Amino acid sequence: DTAVSQTPKYLVTQMGNDKSIKCEQNLGHDTMYWYKQDSKKFLKIMFSYNNKELIINETVPNRFSPKSPDKAHLNLHINSLELGDSAVYFCASSQGAGGVVNTEAFFGQGTRLTVV
Amino acid sequence: GENVEQHPSTLSVQEGDSAVIKCTYSDSASNYFPWYKQELGKRPQLIIDIRSNVGEKKDQRIAVTLNKTAKHFSLHITETQPEDSAVYFCAPLHDYGGATNKLIFGTGTLLAVQP
Repeated sequence: DTAVSQTPKYLVTQMGNDKSIKCEQNLGHDTMYWYKQDSKKFLKIMFSYNNKELIINETVPNRFSPKSPDKAHLNLHINSLELGDSAVYFCASSQGAGGVVNTEAFFGQGTRLTVV
Repeated sequence: GENVEQHPSTLSVQEGDSAVIKCTYSDSASNYFPWYKQELGKRPQLIIDIRSNVGEKKDQRIAVTLNKTAKHFSLHITETQPEDSAVYFCAPLHDYGGATNKLIFGTGTLLAVQP
């Protein structure tokens, strides 16, 4: 009974290609995130959505386009992939918003993207 | 902007020793202070958290202490075991109000427990 699931788990692709990563949560959470974890293990926030609305866009190149068809899904589409996009991408969700201080984040298993 | 730093960045201890990781943040609006553990190849998972009206919280071998005045909080692990080896992240919550809460993670600390 997976809480946050993302697919695929591994993705190897050539430079210049376009790819998507899907994320779904069955926790009923309002807020979903995308994080990028590089080789140095830094967990950098990319986007945050609340009830399908984009809340945070952390200066991510516009080749990255998140889409949230409903509050249980947040997909990430990447155009014109570059070598520097290679990383592990984590989707996460949490309930807290609007000052509710109970914001444990639940993470998906991660997608290891390798651009060659 | 927000600044969340952890020290040390790497920590090696002998099994049975204690480990302490410190998280320093800049945003005085932070009011929720969690620690996450990420084992190799796995996802980050919450292990303990504390709120701004509490100074310390314990859960078996782990504890978190908060100094809101100095804007730092620490993770304490006693009687370390090899399975404690992981990367640990703090993630002080910056409460902007409304729906714009922003979960920012610290720089991470790699803990290695030597058997």
